[in-house]
Parts: sequence; C-alpha cells; structure tokens
Amino acid sequence: AQSVAQPEDQVNVAEGNPLTVKCTYSVSGNPYLFWYVQYPNRGLQFLLKYITGDNLVKGSYGFEAEFNKSQTSFHLKKPSALVSDSALYFCAVRDLAATNKLIFGTGTLLAVQP
Amino acid sequence: EAQVTQNPRYLITVTGKKLTVTCSQNMNHEYMSWYRQDPGLGLRQIYYSMNVEVTDKGDVPEGYKVSRKEKRNFPLILESPSPNQTSLYFCASSFIRNTEAFFGQGTRLTVV
Repeated sequence: AQSVAQPEDQVNVAEGNPLTVKCTYSVSGNPYLFWYVQYPNRGLQFLLKYITGDNLVKGSYGFEAEFNKSQTSFHLKKPSALVSDSALYFCAVRDLAATNKLIFGTGTLLAVQP
Repeated sequence: EAQVTQNPRYLITVTGKKLTVTCSQNMNHEYMSWYRQDPGLGLRQIYYSMNVEVTDKGDVPEGYKVSRKEKRNFPLILESPSPNQTSLYFCASSFIRNTEAFFGQGTRLTVV
C-alpha cells in the first residue's frame, strides 16, 4: 500500500536558521510528491511538487524540497526561516494506480522562534 | 480568481439532523474530492469524483454521501450526523494525474 510518513510531530527552529521538515514515502512505481502548508483557520496551500526531472524542486515562499529515490525521501527545506513560516506542513503522494487521491502524512508543526 | 469555495465555514448541529456542505470550483477541474482532517491522522479521503455522475468511496466513506450533477459542484451530505463525524472537512479539486490539488477553506463541523 502507498503511504507517506512524517516522523516529526513538531520542528522548532530559530528565525534565520535553516529548516528541514522530513518526509519519506512508499509507493509502487514513480512517485508524484507534494508539499502543502496550512496556516491557522485556513485551507491547505500548495507549496511545491516533484513529478520528474531535477531532484531539487523550488516552490513558493522560498521553500525547496529534495527528492532522493534511494532513500525514498522528499524533505522540505528553507535556507533561512521566518516567524511567518510557522504553520502545519503536510507531505503527500498521489495514488496513480487507482483513485488518483492524495495520500497525506500526519503533518509536522513548524514553530519558528524570533 | 481560481478558487474552491466551501460553505458553511463553521457548523454546529445535533445528532441525526441532516446537513449538506457545499463545494464549488471555478477551474473546470474533472477531479473533486472530500477529506476530513483529524489530529494525529492527517487528511483522509471520504469520497471522490472523476467527472460528472462518476463518484466513488474513499478511505472513510461511512455516514457520508456525495453527488456530482454538475462539473463545478460536489456537495457532501450527512444524512444522520453522529458525534464521531465532528471534524474539519476540506473539499479539493484538480485535473487528473500529476497536477496539484486546490483546497477550500475548510468547514469545521461539530455534532453534539
């Protein structure tokens, strides 16, 4: 079965420091991977996706993610964190085999301290 | 502006009283779906639709119904709500396959 794991419930980082939010996946075939962000009382906003091509994907708000096929990982990164980056982050993979649904991880709460 | 619109944003209801949460998108997407978000569980798909008049169950369909009579609308129906359906609900739409999904603002439902 296809699945996504986000091993950290919460990540704490100081403003200005680099941040990493981890994601690993398990799929059959080539993965279509996504990162979404959820601010309080808001819907999910798309950040970036990996379909094919360059393993380093750049997205919105200065975020990027690195696809690593051998480690089945798709970690979200940002060189310099902002307090406004504090939010809930979800990694997802699209189930292409059957339903086309997005399979989500359980989410990681990012807290950036001033 | 491209968007997915859900209504209502907040709803408190009593057990057994039928309710409908509406969802509409203006991007001509074929694929629409409903998710529920619960702490520690992430988002789980309730129902999805590949196109008009084509719907199917997701991972947690019990207690829910949907319909897709028009391409833009995909309402979620709770015929007899129960307290375990208290959750945050999201509607999403996309083109099929490798494109990203667009999400509504969410509906926070409380069943007492």
